[in-house]
Amino acid sequence: NAGVTQTPKFQVLKTGQSMTLQCAQDMNHNSMYWYRQDPGMGLRLIYYSASEGTTDKGEVPNGYNVSRLNKREFSLRLESAAPSQTSVYFCASRRQGLTKNIQYFGAGTRLSVL
Amino acid sequence: AQKITQTQPGMFVQEKEAVTLDCTYDTSDPSYGLFWYKQPSSGEMIFLIYQGSYDQQNATEGRYSLNFQKARKSANLVISASQLGDSAMYFCAMRENFGNEKLTFGTGTRLTIIP
Repeated sequence: NAGVTQTPKFQVLKTGQSMTLQCAQDMNHNSMYWYRQDPGMGLRLIYYSASEGTTDKGEVPNGYNVSRLNKREFSLRLESAAPSQTSVYFCASRRQGLTKNIQYFGAGTRLSVL
Repeated sequence: AQKITQTQPGMFVQEKEAVTLDCTYDTSDPSYGLFWYKQPSSGEMIFLIYQGSYDQQNATEGRYSLNFQKARKSANLVISASQLGDSAMYFCAMRENFGNEKLTFGTGTRLTIIP
C-alpha cells in the first residue's frame, strides 16, 4: 500500500548543481502536484499536472521544471540550485472527478542547498 | 489578503482534553472545499477531514470534527479526548471552485499534548 513515493528523502546540493526529485503514485490518480514547505509559510504549490502530458505553473514556479513522464510519475527538476531553494518538497496526487478531491502526499524530500 | 488564516502558532493541551484549532478563510466563490491535514514530527502530511461548502452538516471522522460556520467563514478543527499522538502541526487548506486544482494552505498550528 505505497501511495505516493518520493525519492530521495534527503539531499544536499552545492549552489549551481542540478538534480531531479522523483515522485510516483500507485493509486491511478490523474492529478499530481509539487509543493514546497518553508518555515512559517505552510505549503506552496510549485507546479501541477492535471493529466498525463499536461503541466501548469503554481504559485512559486521560478527555478523549477517538471515532467509528467506517465500517469504514475511526476518529476521536479532544479537546473541550477540556489540557497533559496532549501526547503522540504512534497509531491501529492488526487483522483479527478470527485467533489471531495483529497490530495494524498508523499513523505517529503528535505533539500539543502549550500 | 490571506486566503487561509490560522491565528494560533502553537497550543499546549492536557491529555484527554478536547482542543479546537482555529481556521478562517476568505473566498467569494460559493463552491469550495476545506481540508485539515496533520503533519507529525516524521514529516508526512496526513489527511484528516473535509468539509464542502454545500454540506449541510459538520464533517466528522472519528475523534475529529469540523466546526463549520459558513457566515463567519470559519472551519475550526475539534479534536476530542486528545492523545499524546495528536502532537503535531495541523494545517487548514482550501480549494476554491470544486474543479480547481489548487489547494491553498494556512501557516499551521503546532499542537503539543501534555501528559
